[in-house]
Amino acid sequence: DADVTQTPRNRITKTGKRIMLECSQTKGHDRMYWYRQDPGLGLRLIYYSFDVKDINKGEISDGYSVSRQAQAKFSLSLESAIPNQTALYFCATSVEGNSNEQYFGPGTRLTVT
Amino acid sequence: DQQVKQNSPSLSVQEGRISILNCDYTNSMFDYFLWYKKYPAEGPTFLISISSIKDKNEDGRFTVFLNKSAKHLSLHIVPSQPGDSAVYFCAATASGAGSYQLTFGKGTKLSVIP
Repeated sequence: DADVTQTPRNRITKTGKRIMLECSQTKGHDRMYWYRQDPGLGLRLIYYSFDVKDINKGEISDGYSVSRQAQAKFSLSLESAIPNQTALYFCATSVEGNSNEQYFGPGTRLTVT
Repeated sequence: DQQVKQNSPSLSVQEGRISILNCDYTNSMFDYFLWYKKYPAEGPTFLISISSIKDKNEDGRFTVFLNKSAKHLSLHIVPSQPGDSAVYFCAATASGAGSYQLTFGKGTKLSVIP
């Protein structure tokens, strides 16, 4: 079984709809992250969480919110989806330390029409 | 302002030859660098990393070189295999400054031709 899972894997939604992307991990890591990837661009950090009570904005947090329901679960919400949020979304985890090596889920392809 | 740059969007190499992927950075606070490999429909997977206290790190067929004065690193794959065909992302972090964030380049698509 995959250590970092994301649901759904693909989603098409309409402008203005609320949508939630979910991430679960079995690695036991405290740190979790949400990234988005756009064509021809690298991954950009949306939000990150170091533990259940610690949530921080990343580079591009506008239009998104997150919830850390448990150590193993980190959800990303789009309160009112817009077409330029069409992208590939990745969840990642890491342990505390200097390496910052992160482990990624398989991604969710989101299309907002 | 792009702090991590991968200026070659794509690279084609013959099987068995060396693949060299390049990465430049501008932020002098970056002190730890990582390479990730990504296949279609999968998440990025960690490949190799290097700390700024080193200038070379080797893991099997993969070697990363760091030139701090030039703010440049490169990933060498020798010999290249068709299974190496993927998008490679360079990433950097300022771990010494207490940073948790990875800053990624745009990626280089490597095609290894049999």
